[in-house]
Amino acid sequence: DAKTTQPNSMESNEEEPVHLPCNHSTISGTDYIHWYRQLPSQGPEYVIHGLTSNVNNRMASLAIAEDRKSSTLILHRATLRDAAVYYCILRDDRTGGYQKVTFGTGTKLQVIP
Amino acid sequence: DAGVIQSPRHEVTEMGQEVTLRCKPISGHDYLFWYRQTMMRGLELLIYFNNNVPIDDSGMPEDRFSAKMPNASFSTLKIQPSEPRDSAVYFCASSFLAGGLAREQFFGPGTRLTVL
Repeated sequence: DAKTTQPNSMESNEEEPVHLPCNHSTISGTDYIHWYRQLPSQGPEYVIHGLTSNVNNRMASLAIAEDRKSSTLILHRATLRDAAVYYCILRDDRTGGYQKVTFGTGTKLQVIP
Repeated sequence: DAGVIQSPRHEVTEMGQEVTLRCKPISGHDYLFWYRQTMMRGLELLIYFNNNVPIDDSGMPEDRFSAKMPNASFSTLKIQPSEPRDSAVYFCASSFLAGGLAREQFFGPGTRLTVL
C-alpha cells in the first residue's frame, strides 16, 4: 500500500479556515486520494476524494499538488462539529481494483470556540 | 435508507465465550468490509467481501476469527473463543461501484466489544 503522512494533531479557531495536509510521495498513477473523518464515538464518514484536479463539495475542498505527492483538505469555516480525526488514504478506484485501504493514524483536529 | 446497521451496539462477554457480531449493509451495495479499531493499532481492515465472496482476509488476526456473508443483506463476524485482547470497536462498512469506479465506504455505528 502507498503510505500517507499526516500531522498527529492540529488546532483551529471556530469559523476560521483549516488546511489539513497529507504527504503521499509514493502515490501511484492510478491511486485516488480519499479523505474520511471520524467524529467522537462514531464510525468514519467520507469527506471528499480526487485524482488530479482540485475538488469541491458541500463539506470541504481538496487541493492536490501538481506532482500528486501531497494534498490538502480545506475546511472553509471550521465549526465545533468539525472536531474529529481526519484520515487521508490512497486507493485504486478502478473496477476490480484492490479495495484494501490503510487508514493510518490521521490528524486529530481540535476546534477552539 | 437506514444506512449500515450493526448489532449489538455493545457486547460484554467473558473470556472463552463465543461472540457474534452482525451487519446489514446498505441495499444495493456489493462490497462489505469488517474493521477493528483499538487505541494501540488504530483502524484495521480485517476482511472484505465482494458479491458475498471473501476477497481478502489477510487482516483476520487468527483462526479464532471467522466471517461469513450468506447473502447480500447480512454478514457476521464471529470470535471463538474470545480473549481480552479482542476488546475493540468493530465496524462494518459497505460500498458499491458507479461508473466503473469504486465509491466511498459507508460505515456503521460500530459494536463495542469488551471481553473480561
